[in-house]
Amino acid sequence: NAGVTQTPKFQVLKTGQSMTLQCAQDMNHNSMYWYRQDPGMGLRLIYYSASEGTTDKGEVPNGYNVSRLNKREFSLRLESAAPSQTSVYFCATLQGSYNSPLHFGNGTRLTVT
Amino acid sequence: DQQVKQNSPSLSVQEGRISILNCDYTNSMFDYFLWYKKYPAEGPTFLISISSIKDKNEDGRFTVFLNKSAKHLSLHIVPSQPGDSAVYFCAASARPTQGAQKLVFGQGTRLTINP
Repeated sequence: NAGVTQTPKFQVLKTGQSMTLQCAQDMNHNSMYWYRQDPGMGLRLIYYSASEGTTDKGEVPNGYNVSRLNKREFSLRLESAAPSQTSVYFCATLQGSYNSPLHFGNGTRLTVT
Repeated sequence: DQQVKQNSPSLSVQEGRISILNCDYTNSMFDYFLWYKKYPAEGPTFLISISSIKDKNEDGRFTVFLNKSAKHLSLHIVPSQPGDSAVYFCAASARPTQGAQKLVFGQGTRLTINP
């Protein structure tokens, strides 16, 4: 039982390049989230998906797009990477809709040069 | 505007003593609060939570206290163990009017337990 799996674990991009961060879950949870973690800033919500076929913006959505491919998978795309997007990205899932903890993957460390 | 604040970036505690981590929030609509623990190169793991209808929740060595009037919560770890050394995040959420719950996180406190 892998829980929440993120790929890749590490990535280095040049400014202007694009990439997609992948997230897959095997817990049959309805809601999925993308957060970024930066020093001194905690975790900030980028986008989330309450259920298959729906996506909504979080606190810091600029420069990102998401796709909820099916119930299991939720991807985050950077179309034109910028150094300000250097961060650690975490995918998370939620079983219900409220009063439940999020379950996190182990993160993708992204560096944009 | 930081809705959830952890004002202590770091805390150092002797093994066997009590560790107290603090968190303040500003949004009075928050009614569910959580603490997460994070080791390097791993994702945050859920530790303990509390609903706003309670003022205390206990799970083994971990107790969370909620003071709604002060908009303050704290995490007590007793006794502290070396394996407790990690970064601790508090988080809060409000009942969603639509969609799903969204957690708002504090900046984190790095706890170091000294032998």
